[in-house]
Amino acid sequence: AQTVTQSQPEMSVQEAETVTLSCTYDTSESDYYLFWYKQPPSRQMILVIRQEAYKQQNATENRFSVNFQKAAKSFSLKISDSQLGDAAMYFCAYRSNNAGNMLTFGGGTRLMVKP
Amino acid sequence: KAGVTQTPRYLIKTRGQQVTLSCSPISGHRSVSWYQQTPGQGLQFLFEYFSETQRNKGNFPGRFSGRQFSNSRSEMNVSTLELGDSALYLCASTRTSGGSYEQYFGPGTRLTVT
Repeated sequence: AQTVTQSQPEMSVQEAETVTLSCTYDTSESDYYLFWYKQPPSRQMILVIRQEAYKQQNATENRFSVNFQKAAKSFSLKISDSQLGDAAMYFCAYRSNNAGNMLTFGGGTRLMVKP
Repeated sequence: KAGVTQTPRYLIKTRGQQVTLSCSPISGHRSVSWYQQTPGQGLQFLFEYFSETQRNKGNFPGRFSGRQFSNSRSEMNVSTLELGDSALYLCASTRTSGGSYEQYFGPGTRLTVT
């Protein structure tokens, strides 16, 4: 079974600065998807970014980008120009191509943004 | 396009009772997944339904069950509620064409068992 680990329970960043959240995963598969989700205090899970394992190019969505290291099984999220609205729980998730749409989540990282 | 909706949003039940939660996916999405979120166990996959069939099931006891209707709406049922079933239950729908496999979540149902 796949496992996803987020080793940073909490992180803080100054507004307008850059922060990187870490995620590692364990799998024997070669084809899969990775996601970062944001969960603000409202508890609504919001998709931040997606990465297909077969793509070498790192995904980017505006201020959010990932550093996908397939061999190291690492998938970190970089948030540039941090804003107060970025404060939330961030979850890394793994989707196998052999288990339907089941997502395996990491334990989450709470990001605090200081004004 | 309307997002994923879940009803009810909040629910208080007593131990031993049963509960039914409902989820309406985004129009056109045929896959519905359910997750349980607790402070202790985090986010755990319950099951996925696709075209009215359970396609995948997580490691939960048989008290947790679900179904999907022909319009893709899904319900999950928890029988003989226990205190440990208190959680946020999240539903997510996935577009199964196009290869993106992005899951869109509803706002959740907060279940409290007393």
